[in-house]
Amino acid sequence: GENVEQHPSTLSVQEGDSAVIKCTYSDSASNYFPWYKQELGKGPQLIIDIRSNVGEKKDQRIAVTLNKTAKHFSLHITETQPEDSAVYFCAASRPDTGNQFYFGTGTSLTVIP
Amino acid sequence: GAVVSQHPSRVICKSGTSVKIECRSLDFQATTMFWYRQFPKQSLMLMATSNEGSKATYEQGVEKDKFLINHASLTLSTLTVTSAHPEDSSFYICSARDVGGRGGNYGYTFGSGTRLTVV
Repeated sequence: GENVEQHPSTLSVQEGDSAVIKCTYSDSASNYFPWYKQELGKGPQLIIDIRSNVGEKKDQRIAVTLNKTAKHFSLHITETQPEDSAVYFCAASRPDTGNQFYFGTGTSLTVIP
Repeated sequence: GAVVSQHPSRVICKSGTSVKIECRSLDFQATTMFWYRQFPKQSLMLMATSNEGSKATYEQGVEKDKFLINHASLTLSTLTVTSAHPEDSSFYICSARDVGGRGGNYGYTFGSGTRLTVV
């Protein structure tokens, strides 16, 4: 099955700085890579996703890059704000086959005002 | 966008009792729903996949007799924790997939989670 690793487990940045979270996956057949933000006591919320036919995707301050050859993908948050503080999870999947999402271990991001 | 309602958000029960958690897709039909379990500061671990009208598929190590899943309609799946014990205390999260797979995330939407505490 798929194995997703995520680093770092914790990350502290100053407000306004950038944050980068990295994930690797093992199954080359995975073709969909979403990123979720989870606030305390709540379910995960999709913030951005990328499909395997795309190398990069950007949405305002958030961007995701994918390297299929190396089987890794990264989340980039620029101009961080205190409200960006949360736990972020990456995931890998083959949703076209109805498969489950395999989640990374999470990164606790703290943005220091 | 697609909305998944999960209830209750929090529940405290006595050891030995059963607890039912509901997962409803409010504005779409979901042929497949997933149930996850999350321990503090850990990732989401898939417990089971439920398909409407058929038996759920459980992940290895998950007791099907303890975690009963019913997906009786295209908008509702329930997870019942039977004879709950303190070690069952956890955050349970459901996810539902839009039949049409519309929208981002291939149509998968997560519920807000249920915090179960067994005392």
